[in-house]
Parts: sequence; C-alpha cells; structure tokens
Amino acid sequence: EDQVTQSPEALRLQEGESSSLNCSYTVSGLRGLFWYRQDPGKGPEFLFTLYSAGEEKEKERLKATLTKKESFLHITAPKPEDSATYLCAVSGGNEKLTFGTGTRLTIIP
Amino acid sequence: NAGVMQNPRHLVRRRGQEARLRCSPMKGHSHVYWYRQLPEEGLKFMVYLQKENIIDESGMPKERFSAEFPKEGPSILRIQQVVRGDSAAYFCASSLPGTALNEQFFGPGTRLTVL
Repeated sequence: EDQVTQSPEALRLQEGESSSLNCSYTVSGLRGLFWYRQDPGKGPEFLFTLYSAGEEKEKERLKATLTKKESFLHITAPKPEDSATYLCAVSGGNEKLTFGTGTRLTIIP
Repeated sequence: NAGVMQNPRHLVRRRGQEARLRCSPMKGHSHVYWYRQLPEEGLKFMVYLQKENIIDESGMPKERFSAEFPKEGPSILRIQQVVRGDSAAYFCASSLPGTALNEQFFGPGTRLTVL
C-alpha cells in the first residue's frame, strides 16, 4: 500500500527566512510525485509533478526536488502570501493519488 | 477557461437524509476523481470514473455511497442515509484523457455537515 509522510506538521517562518518541507514516500512503481498548495476553505492547487529521482522543478520562490525515497519543497525568501498547507501526493501503479497530511506553513511579516 | 466546478459549496443534511454532490470537470477532461477530507486528516481517494464507467471504486465505503459520471452532465456523488461521520469536505478532481501524467486539478469542494 502506498504511503506518504510529511514533516513537519506545522512550520512558522519569518518573512524572508528560507526553509524546506519534507515528503517521504513508499510506493510500488512511482508514476509521479505531486505537490499541491491548499488555502483554508479551498481545494488543492496544483504546483508540481516530479517523475524520477534527480528531477527538480521551480516556480517563483518554490523549488521541488525528488530522490528515490523522499521529496523536498524548498521555499526561498518566503512572503506572507506563501502561507498555506502544502500537500504531497504519489501515484503508483494506478490512477489514484495517495496524499500526506500536509505541512501547515505560516509566514510572519 | 473554467476550472473544476462543484456544487453546492456547502450542504447541511440531517441524519438519514440523502446528499447529492455535483462535479463538472475542466473543459476537455473526461476523467473524474472524488476524494474526501476529514478534519485534521489527509485527502483520501474514493472513486475514479470515466464517462459512463466506474474505473476504480476501491476507496468507496461499501454501503450508502455511490458515484456516477453520465454521458451528459456532471459527475454525482450520492450518499444515502447520511450519518454524522459523513461530515467532511468532498473534493472532485479531473484530468485529461490519454496522458501518463495523471495531473489532477481540483475543485473548491463541497463541505457536508450532518446534523
């Protein structure tokens, strides 16, 4: 059974203070690892897909990386508008996504 | 280009009533997925449908829950005889057919409250 564990559960950073979120996964035959952002009361917003170890993708202040066992979401010089819950999910041998419980990120002005 | 649409956004039902949740996928998308998010828990897969077909319902409770995606119209998630434990946010996602990417785009969700 596919499993995803995210850490930390919550993270508070000062504006401009860079950090990383972790996503550890167990899956048989990784088809893709996905990062989403979720704001309170809203649906997950797609950020990145990573397919193979060593792959990296960037979008504004966010950079996602992938190894065979985990993925990191690096946030550089964050702003208050980056505050959200960040979700990691994997797709194994079928179409469904298995999600972690997320990291709740708060950026303090 | 409209995204995934869900309605209603909020639904209140009393125990024993039926709940019907609707999802219209993004334009051009013919794959639909339903997920449930309980308070303080992650999103859990429920069912994957294509037009007129249920492809994977491994996450659906065996009783009271059903889903359909007709040839015309939105996908419907139906919960019969709701109980308090059904209170949750229900999200629909859609993806393009024929892609190996499986990138799923989510709607805003329906928040079901069972009194």
